[in-house]
Amino acid sequence: NAGVMQNPRHLVRRRGQEARLRCSPMKGHSHVYWYRQLPEEGLKFMVYLQKENIIDESGMPKERFSAEFPKEGPSILRIQQVVRGDSAAYFCASSPPAGVGTDTQYFGPGTRLTVL
Amino acid sequence: RKEVEQDPGPFNVPEGATVAFNCTYSNSASQSFFWYRQDCRKEPKLLMSVYSSGNEDGRFTAQLNRASQYISLLIRDSKLSDSATYLCVVNGYGQNFVFGPGTRLSVLP
Repeated sequence: NAGVMQNPRHLVRRRGQEARLRCSPMKGHSHVYWYRQLPEEGLKFMVYLQKENIIDESGMPKERFSAEFPKEGPSILRIQQVVRGDSAAYFCASSPPAGVGTDTQYFGPGTRLTVL
Repeated sequence: RKEVEQDPGPFNVPEGATVAFNCTYSNSASQSFFWYRQDCRKEPKLLMSVYSSGNEDGRFTAQLNRASQYISLLIRDSKLSDSATYLCVVNGYGQNFVFGPGTRLSVLP
């Protein structure tokens, strides 16, 4: 059973470009979470999604950031018109449906975004 | 008050030492609790879940006090490989996971 997969692992963008980060949850997991971690700081929750639904986006910046988890395919975190302050590690985690075994989150290896 | 608070750290301890981390949470309705470890520039990895009765996994012991809304992690006989940041995680009803800021541990030779 493959773990949570994220790609790309490293992404370099120039200011003003768009960044697309992908996350494939573990098999059988229907919940996806996105977190951002700035250098030397803790994990900050961004958004929680289930298939085709955004459940909680209270941690998402109001502009330029969006997330989706379509019926088919990976979850996508999209950052438009990136700025240097967007440089960070972006981690995706997944968990099984509530009430199905453990409710533990499992993390992907992260995408390190660098904005030049 | 933050939802999940941890000892600020860092903790610098010699090999073989016993070290304890504390975590408090504000949401009394929280349902489940975890400790994760995160190595530098890596993803968080589950260390152990925390049960009301307390649980032990080798050198690691976790305890939960619901009345005081307090979680602890005890590491005995510290190894160099235990050096990492330890994250306390609290899950409220409905898959709302909240991470603490983490406590950094350095085990010194």
